[in-house]
Amino acid sequence: DAMVIQNPRYQVTQFGKPVTLSCSQTLNHNVMYWYQQKSSQAPKLLFHYYDKDFNNEADTPDNFQSRRPNTSFCFLDIRSPGLGDAAMYLCATSRDLADYQPQHFGDGTRLSIL
Amino acid sequence: QKEVEQNSGPLSVPEGAIASLNCTYSDRGSQSFFWYRQYSGKSPELIMSIYSNGDKEDGRFTAQLNKASQYVSLLIRDSQPSDSATYLCAVKSASTGNQFYFGTGTSLTVIP
Repeated sequence: DAMVIQNPRYQVTQFGKPVTLSCSQTLNHNVMYWYQQKSSQAPKLLFHYYDKDFNNEADTPDNFQSRRPNTSFCFLDIRSPGLGDAAMYLCATSRDLADYQPQHFGDGTRLSIL
Repeated sequence: QKEVEQNSGPLSVPEGAIASLNCTYSDRGSQSFFWYRQYSGKSPELIMSIYSNGDKEDGRFTAQLNKASQYVSLLIRDSQPSDSATYLCAVKSASTGNQFYFGTGTSLTVIP
């Protein structure tokens, strides 16, 4: 089945220790998104790639970076995680940016900071 | 940030009843509207999309859109305990590059 896969499902890291979360997709979608979702809050868009074009949200901290080496994979790098970065991180894809295209989510990675 | 507002709930309905979930949005240029279901600790799952004013039905689910009132709703008929989840409203607008804006979600509990 075509899908969006996130690894790992649970990640524990230490305060200030860099961490990388990974997302892969078999949908061959052009757009990949990273969201941060904290408990009882809406998913917050961090950035997205349309093909190789990177689009950063204005309020995404510099601590968060992303890489998309090819169509199938996208990575979220947190350079120096703080306690406030503990959250669920959601990867999503869409075929393109057309208004009618929905987003398809992976199962998420829950990040804990010690 | 374009605003999408939802009643956070919790909303409780008995099994078999109709659950009504509401969403309002501030960007009058919004064109596409989506309802996602999110179980606790899981990722959002697309339930329905709607683009035109009126009703759209899919099984037990009906989405209703009123662009003049900037209002979109989701009705769940014959509610089941398995419908217990948080329902997220998402809105897309060409004026914001067709990015999704999510509401904070409404928590629904269906009581057996």
